[in-house]
Amino acid sequence: QSALTQPASVSGSPGQSITISCTGTSSDVGGYNRVSWYQQHPGKAPKLLIYEASNRPSGVPDRFSGSKSGNTASLTISGLQAEDEADYYCCSYRSGSSYVFGSGTRVTV
Amino acid sequence: QVQLVESGGGVVQPGRSLKLSCAASGFPFSNHAIHWIRQAPGRGLEWVAVVSNDGGTIYYADSVKGRFTISRDNSRSTMYLQLNSLRAEDTAIYYCVREPYLVVAVATFYFDWWGQGALVTVSS
Repeated sequence: QSALTQPASVSGSPGQSITISCTGTSSDVGGYNRVSWYQQHPGKAPKLLIYEASNRPSGVPDRFSGSKSGNTASLTISGLQAEDEADYYCCSYRSGSSYVFGSGTRVTV
Repeated sequence: QVQLVESGGGVVQPGRSLKLSCAASGFPFSNHAIHWIRQAPGRGLEWVAVVSNDGGTIYYADSVKGRFTISRDNSRSTMYLQLNSLRAEDTAIYYCVREPYLVVAVATFYFDWWGQGALVTVSS
């Protein structure tokens, strides 16, 4: 099972905006609106940021937003803050009743 | 407060077996599908398996199919992962993860609550 493709690292200054891409195929990202995003700080469990490509759970700051076009989903962090420094993973449902994660992106502020 | 607490991790030799448990509290356990997701040291996340709310539907990743068995006991609010024929590449933190629901028994396809994980090390 090949992982979804994410950039290994993205960096930005406080207050800036960054975007993380997540590229899959028509069997996963492109075929369903079932993309989610997770933030993971070192030594911690992942935390849900975005579900169904663009929906934000309650409690997640509106600085985090998601979108999808074709086989690529994106996570944008606006007004970057120091506490946003973490690893970010996308995830998609894949045909055949499985799930696939992205390779992960290290965000440096 | 929602809690998922994994236990049963440890060091095991290649080819041997181990059983992980996940004790849930703070929510109606029998309403939710539950997944196992793992993370090898310094690596990314990998989905392992899912069991539906009533235990009747189960799916596995190809990498563990035939070797791992997921199950649940709703009377004890506990789910399990039996790991057999373990390999070095199974070394990872294993997370017990809840899938939310809007309608019981209808999948939502994302994960809203994660346990802190149990470390499984396969080494001779």
